[in-house]
Amino acid sequence: DVKVTQSSRYLVKRTGEKVFLECVQDMDHENMFWYRQDPGLGLRLIYFSYDVKMKEKGDIPEGYSVSREKKERFSLILESASTNQTSMYLCASSAQLVRAGELFFGEGSRLTVL
Amino acid sequence: AQTVTQSQPEMSVQEAETVTLSCTYDTSESDYYLFWYKQPPSRQMILVIRQEAYKQQNATENRFSVNFQKAAKSFSLKISDSQLGDAAMYFCAYGGGADGLTFGKGTHLIIQP
Repeated sequence: DVKVTQSSRYLVKRTGEKVFLECVQDMDHENMFWYRQDPGLGLRLIYFSYDVKMKEKGDIPEGYSVSREKKERFSLILESASTNQTSMYLCASSAQLVRAGELFFGEGSRLTVL
Repeated sequence: AQTVTQSQPEMSVQEAETVTLSCTYDTSESDYYLFWYKQPPSRQMILVIRQEAYKQQNATENRFSVNFQKAAKSFSLKISDSQLGDAAMYFCAYGGGADGLTFGKGTHLIIQP
């Protein structure tokens, strides 16, 4: 079975802190994604990556950056956390053509910024 | 940009009954994919069913089936013989471009025992 592992299920950070959210997949998938999930807003795409060292902005990239140094790992970085970044963050991966492929999700990282 | 609309924030159904979740989308493309994902409480999101737009036949997966109306840009999910384990958030999603899927806001499905 495909496994997507997010390093932290729950995090509490202070405003202005730098935050790293780590995601690792074990099925050699080319495509990896970071979504943000908020009640009443659904899932919104922050960044995605087709390959190592490649990244593309999604719908809401402001305040975020990403890193993909190895194929299996995709990190989301909040350079200076703000309270409006309190949310659930979901990492996903897929092997196929992005628009056709099944996304495999991690369990999510719930971030609270105080 | 494509949009996906789920007009039912919450639905409730009796166990063993049938329920239909609605989804509409907006696109100018002719070749795309549509998905229903399920997110159980405190658990990871999983794919329920996928439909390819160029296939006229509606997709089915056991108790789950879709009603795909391409001209109307409608993609509803029917769950037959509802079970307690079906309780979850259900998200409709569109896949058409080169980036990630576009998701709707979700429908919270409650199963009444």
